[in-house]
Amino acid sequence: DAGITQSPRYKITETGRQVTLMCHQTWSHSYMFWYRQDLGHGLRLIYYSAAADITDKGEVPDGYVVSRSKTENFPLTLESATRSQTSVYFCASSEAGIPNYGYTFGSGTRLTVV
Amino acid sequence: EDQVTQSPEALRLQEGESSSLNCSYTVSGLRGLFWYRQDPGKGPEFLFTLYSAGEEKEKERLKATLTKKESFLHITAPKPEDSATYLCAVPIPSGGSYIPTFGRGTSLIVHP
Repeated sequence: DAGITQSPRYKITETGRQVTLMCHQTWSHSYMFWYRQDLGHGLRLIYYSAAADITDKGEVPDGYVVSRSKTENFPLTLESATRSQTSVYFCASSEAGIPNYGYTFGSGTRLTVV
Repeated sequence: EDQVTQSPEALRLQEGESSSLNCSYTVSGLRGLFWYRQDPGKGPEFLFTLYSAGEEKEKERLKATLTKKESFLHITAPKPEDSATYLCAVPIPSGGSYIPTFGRGTSLIVHP
C-alpha cells in the first residue's frame, strides 16, 4: 500500500527496556521526521533526516536514537525507556524541505512506559 | 527566537456560528505556512499551504489567509464534523534544512 506506515500502533514497555518504533514510506521522499505529541506541548520534533545516511537532532532528542540506511525507512529507538517517554509518536515525510503539499503523517504509535 | 503561537487553545461553536482561528509566527523570511486538521487518535492531515502575504486558500467551509505576521483559518457555518484540532506549522531554517515547527493547536468543538 502506498503511504506512510508506522508500527506498532500501540506499545507497552517497561522502564529500562529498549524499544524501536518503525516508520516506512513508499514515495521515496527525501525528508523524514519524528515527532512526539503530548498534552500541553503539541508536536515536538525529536529527529529528522534530509536523506539516507543524513540525520540531525530536533528539539527533544535526548534518550532517542535514529538511523536511516534506506530512503524509505526511518526507525526511532528508545535506548532505555523512561516514563517521561510515554507519548504518542508520529512519523512524517516530505519530498522537500518546504513541500508544496505539506508533510504527510503516519497514524502514530501510542507508547506507554510502565 | 522563532516561534509559532496558536489561539485560542479551545473553541466551542454552535453549528452555523462562523469564527476564526489564529496562528501568529515570528520567523525571518517566511518560506511557507501550513494548516493541518487532526482528529482524535489520528495523524495530522494536510489542509493548506500559504506562501506570501495576501494569499488565500479555500476548501469547503474553510478559508486560510496570510499576513506578514499571522495566518487565520476562517470557518464559515461550521458543522459538527468540523470538530477537530487545527494545527499550523512554519518551516524554520536549521543547518541547511527547513524544519516544520508546529503551534500547539486549537481544539474546535462544534455543537449541533
